Amino acid sequence: AQSVTQPDIHITVSEGASLELRCNYSYGATPYLFWYVQSPGQGLQLLLKYFSGDTLVQGIKGFEAEFKRSQSSFNLRKPSVHWSDAAEYFCAVGSYSSASKIIFGSGTRLSIRP
Amino acid sequence: GAGVSQTPSNKVTEKGKYVELRCDPISGHTALYWYRQSLGQGPEFLIYFQGTGAADDSGLPNDRFFAVRPEGSVSTLKIQRTERGDSAVYLCASSPTGGAAYNEQFFGPGTRLTVL
Repeated sequence: AQSVTQPDIHITVSEGASLELRCNYSYGATPYLFWYVQSPGQGLQLLLKYFSGDTLVQGIKGFEAEFKRSQSSFNLRKPSVHWSDAAEYFCAVGSYSSASKIIFGSGTRLSIRP
Repeated sequence: GAGVSQTPSNKVTEKGKYVELRCDPISGHTALYWYRQSLGQGPEFLIYFQGTGAADDSGLPNDRFFAVRPEGSVSTLKIQRTERGDSAVYLCASSPTGGAAYNEQFFGPGTRLTVL
């Protein structure tokens, strides 16, 4: 069965500092991987997705993520965070065989220190 | 254009009551999804509609939960005999065509259900 683990429940970084949010997945074949962001009072928004090809994926708002099959990871990065990046971030996995389902991780809450 | 809308934004009910939660997807989107998000957790898949039919309802927790999409647009999630454990945020999403693996899902702001 597919599963997603986000080991960090809450992370605080200083504004302007770099960010890395961890995500590990469990899936037998090549997964489809996603990062979503959820701001208070807002719906979930897709930041980026990986289906195949280049393992370094660029997304919106200056985020990127790297798919590492050997480590079953899909970590999210940003070189310099802004106060507006404070939100909840969810990693998710889907597959071709279960096209209707996305399995979400439990999320990482990001706080920004001024 | 308008995004996915959900009504009501908040719903408080008493244990044992019946509730209906509504989702208006983005116009023209044929795929519609319902998720449930409990406190401190990620969204959990409930059901997926392709047009008017439920293509996958494997995430519905039990037969107290039911969803319809009679005209292939608006969907209603119905919960009978509510229990305190049903308290959560219920999220709706839509995408232009079916298949979560291929298409971005656009999420609504959710309905926060509280069962007293």
